[in-house]
Amino acid sequence: NAGVTQTPKFRVLKTGQSMTLLCAQDMNHEYMYWYRQDPGMGLRLIHYSVGEGTTAKGEVPDGYNVSRLKKQNFLLGLESAAPSQTSVYFCASSYDRTGGGYTFGSGTRLTVV
Amino acid sequence: LAKTTQPISMDSYEGQEVNITCSHNNIATNDYITWYQQFPSQGPRFIIQGYKTKVTNEVASLFIPADRKSSTLSLPRVSLSDTAVYYCLVGDPWASGTYKYIFGTGTRLKVLA
Repeated sequence: NAGVTQTPKFRVLKTGQSMTLLCAQDMNHEYMYWYRQDPGMGLRLIHYSVGEGTTAKGEVPDGYNVSRLKKQNFLLGLESAAPSQTSVYFCASSYDRTGGGYTFGSGTRLTVV
Repeated sequence: LAKTTQPISMDSYEGQEVNITCSHNNIATNDYITWYQQFPSQGPRFIIQGYKTKVTNEVASLFIPADRKSSTLSLPRVSLSDTAVYYCLVGDPWASGTYKYIFGTGTRLKVLA
């Protein structure tokens, strides 16, 4: 089925460990995004990409890095995890710049202890 | 990017029609209004988008008055499975030159049996 796939779905990290979250889309979308969502809060934009080889910072980029080496993949990295990064991470992609074209993944629940 | 205001939460009973209003006083001429739905543990999904008057699809209706300073998402005959958070998004997320989409906290709808 077409869509956005995130891996892993769950992960527990110790403080200071690193990890990479993978987002893959098969819709040939140019634009991809990483959001985080904390309990009772809305989605906050971490980083985004307007095409292969490009990345840009969102609202809350500190402590995260991203890469878009292939059009279909958008990787989110945590170099040294902190408890404040405990959250649910959502990846999304879109085919244009309007508000109606977002497809979200099912999320990655990350706990940093 | 227009600032939006929605109720934090709403309760309804199965079979009732639910109307969720979003205020966006500083909407710009070219701005579209888009609604997303987010179920627990899932990413948001597109429901409906409109520019003026009324838009209807198989899931919901969107009513937009002539001044466009507000919009109302209408869900006919809700069921327990409509329990979700509903986000109202207004505007061009690229208007400032960089991407900026504020999902906010949305409206938490709880449907009761």
